[in-house]
Amino acid sequence: GIQVEQSPPDLILQEGANSTLRCNFSDSVNNLQWFHQNPWGQLINLFYIPSGTKQNGRLSATTVATERYSLLYISSSQTTDSGVYFCAPGALSGNNRLAFGKGNQVVVIP
Amino acid sequence: DGGITQSPKYLFRKEGQNVTLSCEQNLNHDAMYWYRQDPGQGLRLIYYSQIVNDFQKGDIAEGYSVSREKKESFPLTVTSAQKNPTAFYLCASSIRVRINAQSGANVLTFGAGSRLTVL
Repeated sequence: GIQVEQSPPDLILQEGANSTLRCNFSDSVNNLQWFHQNPWGQLINLFYIPSGTKQNGRLSATTVATERYSLLYISSSQTTDSGVYFCAPGALSGNNRLAFGKGNQVVVIP
Repeated sequence: DGGITQSPKYLFRKEGQNVTLSCEQNLNHDAMYWYRQDPGQGLRLIYYSQIVNDFQKGDIAEGYSVSREKKESFPLTVTSAQKNPTAFYLCASSIRVRINAQSGANVLTFGAGSRLTVL
């Protein structure tokens, strides 16, 4: 199946700082989603972004499908941004099943 | 409000007992999924169902069973055959986004999860 590598695995940010999370994947995709898991375990879908760039408030995401990577930008980070960010691509050949990376653990300190 | 309800939130069971986790959605989504998450790990797919009365095994189906008798409901049973059942279980449903005339992509919404501990 598709291999997913997320970096950095752990990140500590001062409130107000900006950061970039990276997701590399091993196959051609027609589906890619970013999720945020809060400290209580709830996963929220942030973006469906198989290609191109999208923005939602302080978050934006870019996927370059031809080069097999996606980036999630967090600007002006807040303590509520803490949690784990998961990238989940779905391969063209994978029957639409998403593969999850191990995540980026982000801690935002006040 | 539309969403996915998982119950119970926390569950403790003795080794050798079967347990059933409930998942109900009122989003009118066709597809539903069960994932397992272990500490520090990503999510792994247990079972999924694209339509009522049909379901497929995911990557780690051994020791689990499911049913899909109603569109809204997709319960997961963790059987005594599952060797290491202690984990966080997440249910999801999806809406299909059209990519082109031939294909689409499933965009997932998750429930709040059920944490199972086997003593």
